[in-house]
Amino acid sequence: ELKVEQNPLFLSMQEGKNYTIYCNYSTTSDRLYWYRQDPGKSLESLFVLLSNGAVKQEGRLMASLDTKARLSTLHITAAVHDLSATYFCAVHGGSQGNLIFGKGTKLSVKP
Amino acid sequence: DAMVIQNPRYQVTQFGKPVTLSCSQTLNHNVMYWYQQKSSQAPKLLFHYYDKDFNNEADTPDNFQSRRPNTSFCFLDIRSPGLGDAAMYLCATSSVLRASGRKETQYFGPGTRLLVL
Repeated sequence: ELKVEQNPLFLSMQEGKNYTIYCNYSTTSDRLYWYRQDPGKSLESLFVLLSNGAVKQEGRLMASLDTKARLSTLHITAAVHDLSATYFCAVHGGSQGNLIFGKGTKLSVKP
Repeated sequence: DAMVIQNPRYQVTQFGKPVTLSCSQTLNHNVMYWYQQKSSQAPKLLFHYYDKDFNNEADTPDNFQSRRPNTSFCFLDIRSPGLGDAAMYLCATSSVLRASGRKETQYFGPGTRLLVL
């Protein structure tokens, strides 16, 4: 069975702190996606990681991909309240190559 | 700007009363998807169209149907909504590399929040 596992599922951080969200997946995939979702809103694409060793950064967020370990990380640097949201990772899988999502990590950044 | 549009953004319906949600795109993508997302859960794929080919997920209830009259539009029909169908419905599109059949990045619309009374 194809699985995408994120941890932690809930993360409460203080502003200014660093933390990492992990995404493990059970299928071979040449791409991995990170999405952000604010409450009541749709998914916003953050990163598309296309190859082993890929690293992308946008502001306080940095994502990396290790296809051999089937692991992606989303690192948060010096968190601010605006980063509070739910973060999903996803990979293509199955016979149709559709997206398989992790359960999401709900991040809450407190002053 | 090329985009994915969903209408309405909020829909209130009565238990058992059919409802249709709409999605349109200006990206000219050949694949369109419908997802259901309940509170604190990941999006769940209901079905997708690859051009005119309809692909239903095995666990999608028969209560949910879809139509794609042309490349730009796709509709989600819920024939007899139940209280458990209250959710956010997300439409997404993607292109496909013809040579490999590989689906590319999905672009999501803003979603339609459905409330069933």
